[in-house]
Amino acid sequence: GESVGLHLPTLSVQEGDNSIINCAYSNSASDYFIWYKQESGKGPQFIIDIRSNMDKRQGQRVTVLLNKTVKHLSLQIAATQPGDSAVYFCAERGGATNKLIFGTGTLLAVQP
Amino acid sequence: DAMVIQNPRYQVTQFGKPVTLSCSQTLNHNVMYWYQQKSSQAPKLLFHYYDKDFNNEADTPDNFQSRRPNTSFCFLDIRSPGLGDAAMYLCATSSEANQPQHFGDGTRLSIL
Repeated sequence: GESVGLHLPTLSVQEGDNSIINCAYSNSASDYFIWYKQESGKGPQFIIDIRSNMDKRQGQRVTVLLNKTVKHLSLQIAATQPGDSAVYFCAERGGATNKLIFGTGTLLAVQP
Repeated sequence: DAMVIQNPRYQVTQFGKPVTLSCSQTLNHNVMYWYQQKSSQAPKLLFHYYDKDFNNEADTPDNFQSRRPNTSFCFLDIRSPGLGDAAMYLCATSSEANQPQHFGDGTRLSIL
């Protein structure tokens, strides 16, 4: 069968609270970053992206913050809902290859 | 409507018996990707096609092959599956290499 997976970092929040999911990236040359949401049994779903010439970008209930100085990316979800429960992955792209490098996911568990 | 479609959703094969997973897209995107995702881990890129140009990742085992007969379809062939190949296989597309990737819901492969 499948090899034993790692234990994902988990963030547990109450419904209605704001959530902040953090990600440290590795390549200072990365110029594009994406957050994906992956629900159980489904593929990753695009949430929001940001380019390295920006430090903040807002979507519907989501905000991505980029701190290039410390190579840190965060996803803020306002008024978290049960439907937000999923694994969230950050991904970076940089260099000549355009290849996406995924970070370790974070499991967001929303308590009703 | 699903834009990246993977069939079947679940596939069971025997140890050493060749298996083919399929992906189709209605987005007319130039780039198609195959990822392997094991439990609680991030997706790992196996290879991608830019149009008809095949790009293999350096650490992708020779056991994994791919075909892209036309823009819409891409196949993942596993010639002799081992127990360690049990995983979720994700297909993704992007219009260009530097654009966001859109994922299908994957095929979960089990090896008996």
